[in-house]
Amino acid sequence: AQSVSQHNHHVILSEAASLELGCNYSYGGTVNLFWYVQYPGQHLQLLLKYFSGDPLVKGIKGFEAEFIKSKFSFNLRKPSVQWSDTAEYFCAVNLAFGGTYKYIFGTGTRLKVLA
Amino acid sequence: SQTIHQWPATLVQPVGSPLSLECTVEGTSNPNLYWYRQAAGRGLQLLFYSVGIGQISSEVPQNLSASRPQDRQFILSSKKLLLSDSGFYLCAWSVNQRGPGETQYFGPGTRLLVL
Repeated sequence: AQSVSQHNHHVILSEAASLELGCNYSYGGTVNLFWYVQYPGQHLQLLLKYFSGDPLVKGIKGFEAEFIKSKFSFNLRKPSVQWSDTAEYFCAVNLAFGGTYKYIFGTGTRLKVLA
Repeated sequence: SQTIHQWPATLVQPVGSPLSLECTVEGTSNPNLYWYRQAAGRGLQLLFYSVGIGQISSEVPQNLSASRPQDRQFILSSKKLLLSDSGFYLCAWSVNQRGPGETQYFGPGTRLLVL
């Protein structure tokens, strides 16, 4: 079955540390990939997305993600995190299945950045 | 610009009571609409989606139902709440037909506690 895995459920970092959150999906066809972020008390919002072209995607607030098709991965990175990056991060995949499209979310990763 | 509203923000209901959660979208026509439930450590589970007035698709069997009486209104209901219905309910919309270019945008959510 199609699924999205986020193996890191909780991550704690100090400010200025580098961040990489893993996202792997299981589906052999064409996919579109997303990272969403939910800051404390705020809406879930789109961080970045990949549809086609350059597999390295840049999003808001200095985040980027790289689509590696051979690894079925779409890891999120940031070279230097800030306290304000404390949030929950969700990876999502949109894929064609059964004549329609399905949007599948990972279980989320809670990031806490220590000042 | 488009905005999405959900109410109430928080709801405490006794077991066996009915439920009605409302979601409305402004600034767009004929959106795709979605109801998700977000549970800690389990990501976002798609409950229902709608591509038009009166058109509802259910993703998982459950104690809940959805209706779309107007183009930009999506309602989540239950006749008799169960304890297991407690959770955080998110409404989302997208502007395109369901497909590879679809990006979903989320509302603020409703936290439901069934006692």
